Amino acid sequence: AQKITQTQPGMFVQEKEAVTLDCTYDTSDQSYGLFWYKQPSSGEMIFLIYQGSYDEQNATEGRYSLNFQKARKSANLVISASQLGDSAMYFCAMREGRNTGNQFYFGTGTSLTVIP
Amino acid sequence: GAGVSQTPSNKVTEKGKYVELRCDPISGHTALYWYRQSLGQGPEFLIYFQGTGAADDSGLPNDRFFAVRPEGSVSTLKIQRTERGDSAVYLCASSLWGDATDTQYFGPGTRLTVL
Repeated sequence: AQKITQTQPGMFVQEKEAVTLDCTYDTSDQSYGLFWYKQPSSGEMIFLIYQGSYDEQNATEGRYSLNFQKARKSANLVISASQLGDSAMYFCAMREGRNTGNQFYFGTGTSLTVIP
Repeated sequence: GAGVSQTPSNKVTEKGKYVELRCDPISGHTALYWYRQSLGQGPEFLIYFQGTGAADDSGLPNDRFFAVRPEGSVSTLKIQRTERGDSAVYLCASSLWGDATDTQYFGPGTRLTVL
């Protein structure tokens, strides 16, 4: 089974609107971390936001927020007030508990295009 | 401060040749990771170092791939007898062990093309 599933290969959003990028995960660990990265056409992976499995509140970082629904094993990224510079690939990733290793598992990504 | 750096940014080689890819992590980060990203895919884990030792090399596809980190800082990913299927972007990341989140910070990658 895939550890991280991103079902939206491509998304479009009007500038200044909000957009939600979906991510579901699969783990039997109780302790894990969820991450979102942005990858512009330049190729570098840019860290956006982190959610720990024990965090009770949804993480927020500026215009980014993470809609964490633990029972549904989903960790959707919400980008508010989209800007043209938000056009990029977005990857959801998971780190399982340290006892099971420290590698990240990545999804296949969602390509976001912001339309002026 | 300086982020993760990788050299070269691009490498073109011929099938059968040997290549080395270098990663310089964020200063003070003890954990270092190598990933491979094929076109249209997310990064796939190759190997993880904690200090000088490889803590997990389960992602290395075969024995043509090897990585070292002799002084616990810079790491080199070595690929012997390259094949066309090795063409990909090789990403390096580092993290501060003991940080509550273990967030990994990535370099710009090395694009390897095997002709």
